[in-house]
Amino acid sequence: DAMVIQNPRYQVTQFGKPVTLSCSQTLNHNVMYWYQQKSSQAPKLLFHYYDKDFNNEADTPDNFQSRRPNTSFCFLDIRSPGLGDAAMYLCATSRDWTGGQFFGPGTRLTVL
Amino acid sequence: AQSVSQHNHHVILSEAASLELGCNYSYGGTVNLFWYVQYPGQHLQLLLKYFSGDPLVKGIKGFEAEFIKSKFSFNLRKPSVQWSDTAEYFCAVSTTSGTYKYIFGTGTRLKVLA
Repeated sequence: DAMVIQNPRYQVTQFGKPVTLSCSQTLNHNVMYWYQQKSSQAPKLLFHYYDKDFNNEADTPDNFQSRRPNTSFCFLDIRSPGLGDAAMYLCATSRDWTGGQFFGPGTRLTVL
Repeated sequence: AQSVSQHNHHVILSEAASLELGCNYSYGGTVNLFWYVQYPGQHLQLLLKYFSGDPLVKGIKGFEAEFIKSKFSFNLRKPSVQWSDTAEYFCAVSTTSGTYKYIFGTGTRLKVLA
């Protein structure tokens, strides 16, 4: 089945220790998104790629970076995680701007 | 700034009751509108979407939503809910004029009593 896969599902890191979350898709979609979702809050868009074009939300902290080496994969790098970065991180894809998004299961990040 | 409001944070219904979940957005330009559902322990799934044409949109599992442009609303409806509809429902809006934006509402938790 075509899908969006996120690894790992759970990630524990220490304050200030860099962490990388990964996302892969078999849908061959053009657009890939990263969201941060904290408890009882709406998913918040961090950035997205349309093909190789990277778009950063204005309020995404500099601590967060992303890479998309090819159509299938996208990575979220958190350079120096703080306690406030503990959240669920969601990856999603869509064919284009008007299509609905397909979400992965998320990676729950804990920062100690 | 653009925003999406879901005024009902928690809704409890009995099976067979009718459902309407409100969604309002603030943006004056062209929008695409979505409803997503997250069942317990599962990831977000698209229920339905609107981007042009008939403002009454039908989605999966008997859900529908109506886009009322004059009211900036996109309410989700189902005539008769089932226990299996227990989930969290998110409204989302995207805009492609100018800077691309994709904004989610805070969600509505629906509990259906058997």
